[in-house]
Amino acid sequence: QPQLEQSGAEMKKPGASVKVSCKTSGYTFSDYYLHWVRQAPGQGLEYMGWIFPKDGGTHYAQKFRGRVTITKDASITTAYMELTSLRSDDTAVYYCVRENYYYADWGQGALVTVSS
Amino acid sequence: DIVMTQSPDSLAVSLGARATIHCKSSQNVFHSSTSTHHLAWYQQKAGQPPKVLIYGASTRESGVPDRFSGSGSGTDFSLTITNVQAEDVSVYYCQQYYSLPRTFGQGTKVEIK
Repeated sequence: QPQLEQSGAEMKKPGASVKVSCKTSGYTFSDYYLHWVRQAPGQGLEYMGWIFPKDGGTHYAQKFRGRVTITKDASITTAYMELTSLRSDDTAVYYCVRENYYYADWGQGALVTVSS
Repeated sequence: DIVMTQSPDSLAVSLGARATIHCKSSQNVFHSSTSTHHLAWYQQKAGQPPKVLIYGASTRESGVPDRFSGSGSGTDFSLTITNVQAEDVSVYYCQQYYSLPRTFGQGTKVEIK
């Protein structure tokens, strides 16, 4: 049974960076795309990007290019999403998701709050 | 980008009644490589991550009650909940996984009348 365990809530000041981790288990890490999706309070779901652990390939949504970096450490089957130059409207829950064509398995989410 | 538009934004139904949510994509999401529509439905309960209900427009995910069903083709899809139960109170999202960026509908909130 695939499991995705994310790091805890973070509070950051505007202009800072945040790095969220996603520890996976229960499946072959290298074989599935890992996506990142965020959800602002009371809002819908927004795709940010993915990484394919087998070759490290990445894709980022146009909106986040230049501010987001998705990486992985295959030795510990963990993926990371780093977002820089944080603004108040980056306050959201950030999810990692294992894709099997559709979004099959979700992490529990990590709340990132950006406030001065 | 493929735009996904859901209707209605919210829906109040009586226990045991039927609820239908519609989703329209701005492009056809039928993928010839899988011979399926790359359209999924998710349920999100308050304070929880979304959970997949339906993929391929009409295939129920393992463990999902059979009162949930998906239908449609081309650019028009629907999710139907028959015999609505109290535990179905949630926000429902459609999503296309036909192309990047993956995009979602704005969500439909289902409540009990």
